[in-house]
Amino acid sequence: DGGITQSPKYLFRKEGQNVTLSCEQNLNHDAMYWYRQDPGQGLRLIYYSQIVNDFQKGDIAEGYSVSREKKESFPLTVTSAQKNPTAFYLCASSTPDRFIRSNQPQHFGDGTRLSIL
Amino acid sequence: AQKITQTQPGMFVQEKEAVTLDCTYDTSDPSYGLFWYKQPSSGEMIFLIYQGSYDQQNATEGRYSLNFQKARKSANLVISASQLGDSAMYFCAMREHTGNQFYFGTGTSLTVIP
Repeated sequence: DGGITQSPKYLFRKEGQNVTLSCEQNLNHDAMYWYRQDPGQGLRLIYYSQIVNDFQKGDIAEGYSVSREKKESFPLTVTSAQKNPTAFYLCASSTPDRFIRSNQPQHFGDGTRLSIL
Repeated sequence: AQKITQTQPGMFVQEKEAVTLDCTYDTSDPSYGLFWYKQPSSGEMIFLIYQGSYDQQNATEGRYSLNFQKARKSANLVISASQLGDSAMYFCAMREHTGNQFYFGTGTSLTVIP
């Protein structure tokens, strides 16, 4: 079955440590996204990528970095510069909206819960 | 300005009753899509229903229907015959044709009461 796989499900970060969240998709989607969700809150866009080797900052990119070396993979690194990383992180993908009547939603992974030790 | 506004932080509904979750949007793009997602306490985002800006009829998917009022820029989700399993967060989202970003509202927490 096609889908998005995020790993790990739970992650703990020590002070001053960088950690990387994995996101892999086999839906052949061009666009991939990373969102942060705090308890009881909506989704905030961290980074998105429309094509391999290209990505754009979202609303809250500070303290995060990404790479897009392969179409299937869009890993997110939470750096030590991100002082409040505890949150739920969701990865998503979609096809580009090349057609006016395109109805392609975003597909989401099951998320990674990141906490500080 | 907010692209998507959901003004109901929390809603309660009796089991088997219908409930409407409000969503208003803001865009100057004539071509856009509107989406509703359900997020249970486990965290995954489940796509429920889609409405395109050029669609003449309101979208329906089983017990879900979308009350689309283009002139008012509203896209309310109607859940009929509520079930206990409908208790979750519900997010309204929009995608404009001119970009690949999806804009999400802050969500509405729905609780179904037995």
